[in-house]
Amino acid sequence: GQQLNQSPQSMFIQEGEDVSMNCTSSSIFNTWLWYKQDPGEGPVLLIALYKAGELTSNGRLTAQFGITRKDSFLNISASIPSDVGIYFCAGQLWGRNDMRFGAGTRLTVKP
Amino acid sequence: DSGVTQTPKHLITATGQRVTLRCSPRSGDLSVYWYQQSLDQGLQFLIQYYNGEERAKGNILERFSAQQFPDLHSELNLSSLELGDSALYFCASSPQGRGNTEAFFGQGTRLTVV
Repeated sequence: GQQLNQSPQSMFIQEGEDVSMNCTSSSIFNTWLWYKQDPGEGPVLLIALYKAGELTSNGRLTAQFGITRKDSFLNISASIPSDVGIYFCAGQLWGRNDMRFGAGTRLTVKP
Repeated sequence: DSGVTQTPKHLITATGQRVTLRCSPRSGDLSVYWYQQSLDQGLQFLIQYYNGEERAKGNILERFSAQQFPDLHSELNLSSLELGDSALYFCASSPQGRGNTEAFFGQGTRLTVV
């Protein structure tokens, strides 16, 4: 119900390739956030989405809030080695206060 | 630097003990969230406070408790510690308790129970 299903679990790509990951749920979300976490560090906010259909870019990153409010995707274009890390989606359920996280996508970029 | 400060950075303690983790939110943020992250796992939501009051509760054990003080800093108390409580504990803060909000994370406290 309130679970966030994030996929893929891990990705191994070549430098320069594009990357796509997504989060889905059976519940409606008010907000979608995308974070990146480096080992031993706290997650860093990449993109925040607030409206259904919203498409937002941050440099080489693009994220969209799904029309149904139940999903979101994150694309990374022309990946570079420093993109390595774990990417988490997070969502705030409609009518609730807390923020739930997906299980993460572990990205490895080969030079 | 996110502006969220967590202390201590590392903590090693024995089973059965009690510890307190501290979080200072970003200036002006009223909402504080606590999360637990076990090795190679996702972030499990524990509890949220907004302006001193509990707002939402997640998978928080009865042995754990939290509070937010008038100056808006928060503490997470973990008691009767077990080996399985070893994890990274993160605090995040945001301006609002509900609605459009962006949460910023601290560097975490790494708790090791031996």
